[in-house]
Amino acid sequence: GAVVSQHPSRVICKSGTSVKIECRSLDFQATTMFWYRQFPKKSLMLMATSNEGSKATYEQGVEKDKFLINHASLTLSTLTVTSAHPEDSSFYICSARARLQGELFFGEGSRLTVL
Amino acid sequence: AQSVTQPDIHITVSEGASLELRCNYSYGATPYLFWYVQSPGQGLQLLLKYFSGDTLVQGIKGFEAEFKRSQSSFNLRKPSVHWSDAAEYFCAVAGYGSSNTGKLIFGQGTTLQVKP
Repeated sequence: GAVVSQHPSRVICKSGTSVKIECRSLDFQATTMFWYRQFPKKSLMLMATSNEGSKATYEQGVEKDKFLINHASLTLSTLTVTSAHPEDSSFYICSARARLQGELFFGEGSRLTVL
Repeated sequence: AQSVTQPDIHITVSEGASLELRCNYSYGATPYLFWYVQSPGQGLQLLLKYFSGDTLVQGIKGFEAEFKRSQSSFNLRKPSVHWSDAAEYFCAVAGYGSSNTGKLIFGQGTTLQVKP
């Protein structure tokens, strides 16, 4: 089946630094990818929709300048958490939709810890 | 407003017993409905989905779910639970149309614990 890979799976960084998380569709082309954030013991919250070759669409309340999303190719979207703070610590999950199939496939998630 | 409610935060069942996880949704149009399972520290795996047609949907790992429009529900069931089913379960809804199917609204999740 289709596979979506995230890297890194875990990252620890110092407060004030920036961290980049990659989301790759390994065996299909994804015109659209989605980024979710999951707090401990909480549900997933959609952060933004990433469209290849265009600007991401952010959900209400998500800071565009803090969470930079780039969808440079049909197989790669990146989420950069800029000037990270401890409250940005979370589990970030991406999903991708194959161009024709429409079904969503989720990555394994990336756990960010900001010290 | 669109929303998904999973009334049970935590459920414990004995191995071999039957299971039902509840899900209620609020959506103004025809919904697409999903159930996902998440193991600790992992991403989400799709168990099953409902788009249209037969309201009883069969999924992987022996799970099934029934869409009841009159009750705005999409409950997940399994006749006999295995210890490996212990995980977090999420119900989700998406809008109709290709532009919306990726924008999932998730419920709060139900933690399933399986007793030996």
